[in-house]
Amino acid sequence: KAGVTQTPRYLIKTRGQQVTLSCSPISGHRSVSWYQQTPGQGLQFLFEYFSETQRNKGNFPGRFSGRQFSNSRSEMNVSTLELGDSALYLCASGLMTGGYEQYFGPGTRLTVT
Amino acid sequence: KNEVEQSPQNLTAQEGEFITINCSYSVGISALHWLQQHPGGGIVSLFMLSSGKKKHGRLIATINIQEKHSSLHITASHPRDSAVYICAVGINTDKLIFGTGTRLQVFP
Repeated sequence: KAGVTQTPRYLIKTRGQQVTLSCSPISGHRSVSWYQQTPGQGLQFLFEYFSETQRNKGNFPGRFSGRQFSNSRSEMNVSTLELGDSALYLCASGLMTGGYEQYFGPGTRLTVT
Repeated sequence: KNEVEQSPQNLTAQEGEFITINCSYSVGISALHWLQQHPGGGIVSLFMLSSGKKKHGRLIATINIQEKHSSLHITASHPRDSAVYICAVGINTDKLIFGTGTRLQVFP
């Protein structure tokens, strides 16, 4: 069974631009969570989606948004990029929500210049 | 104070040594996860625990819910075990709160 895939793997953007990252969960998984990893803050929770509904949101500004489609694929969008948004963005999928094992994708490394 | 504390932050070992990484948390949790991250970023889920003990190969994870403490043990460590080990706790649904990680280096 294919693992979690994330596209693109690497991205360079300029301050003020917007970016969309994509995550395809493992087939049959309905839960997708997004995380940001930076050297200064470590890993932080962004959002969680289950059956196209956002179930939980971390402490990030409104520039960070996401959605989940009926096939469980998820996208996250960051508008008006700032230098501090440079990070590794990871998504993880799970069979169900609420204490199930999560499987992580390889991440998208975003660099904002 | 962080909700999830890991110790030690850095750990070096000789091949074959028994290794223990500790994780303490201060919040109510639905589950505790141990994750492994190699250089380059990829994260692998090693264990998910809500009670007791789990073993997979040379890795053992234990959790004490009353004491809010978990340990990850690596028996007969090997250089390929070198990685960052991250403890994360699940709070409601699938929101994870992460520790800062333990960087392990195992030398031949």
